[in-house]
Amino acid sequence: AQSVTQPDIHITVSEGASLELRCNYSYGATPYLFWYVQSPGQGLQLLLKYFSGDTLVQGIKGFEAEFKRSQSSFNLRKPSVHWSDAAEYFCAVGPKGGTASKLTFGTGTRLQVTL
Amino acid sequence: KAGVTQTPRYLIKTRGQQVTLSCSPISGHRSVSWYQQTPGQGLQFLFEYFSETQRNKGNFPGRFSGRQFSNSRSEMNVSTLELGDSALYLCASSPTGTGGSDTQYFGPGTRLTVL
Repeated sequence: AQSVTQPDIHITVSEGASLELRCNYSYGATPYLFWYVQSPGQGLQLLLKYFSGDTLVQGIKGFEAEFKRSQSSFNLRKPSVHWSDAAEYFCAVGPKGGTASKLTFGTGTRLQVTL
Repeated sequence: KAGVTQTPRYLIKTRGQQVTLSCSPISGHRSVSWYQQTPGQGLQFLFEYFSETQRNKGNFPGRFSGRQFSNSRSEMNVSTLELGDSALYLCASSPTGTGGSDTQYFGPGTRLTVL
């Protein structure tokens, strides 16, 4: 069965500092990979996705993620964090070759930004 | 283009009652998926509907059911509510739910509280 691990439950960074959120997945083949962000009381907003091709993907709000097959990782990065980035971030995988609708999510990483 | 809409946004019910939640997908999207989000279990896939047929199902009891109408709008129903059903219920839509370019877009969710 596929699974997603986000080892960091809570991360605090200063505004302007760089950010890296970790995501490791377990799956028989290369799955579809996603990062979503959720602000308090809101639904999920897609930040970026990886299906194939270039392993470095760019997303919205200045985020990027790198797929590393050898490490089964898909870490999210941002060079300079803004206070408005404070939210919860979810990594998700979807089965390749099947319906991409059945996403498996990690437990999330809550990002706090200090001014 | 309007996003995914969910109604109602908030709902309070008592144990033993039943509840119906509604989701209107993005125009042109034919796949609708439902997820349950709780602090303890995180985000869990409930089921997916495509062309009025349930195409995927998660590991939830039969008290959880859904349907999709010809206009792709979807409803989910929970019968005989239990305290543990208190959660944020998220709906997501995608064009087809398959293939490499398909992506799910989430609504704001319905917050269900069971007393």
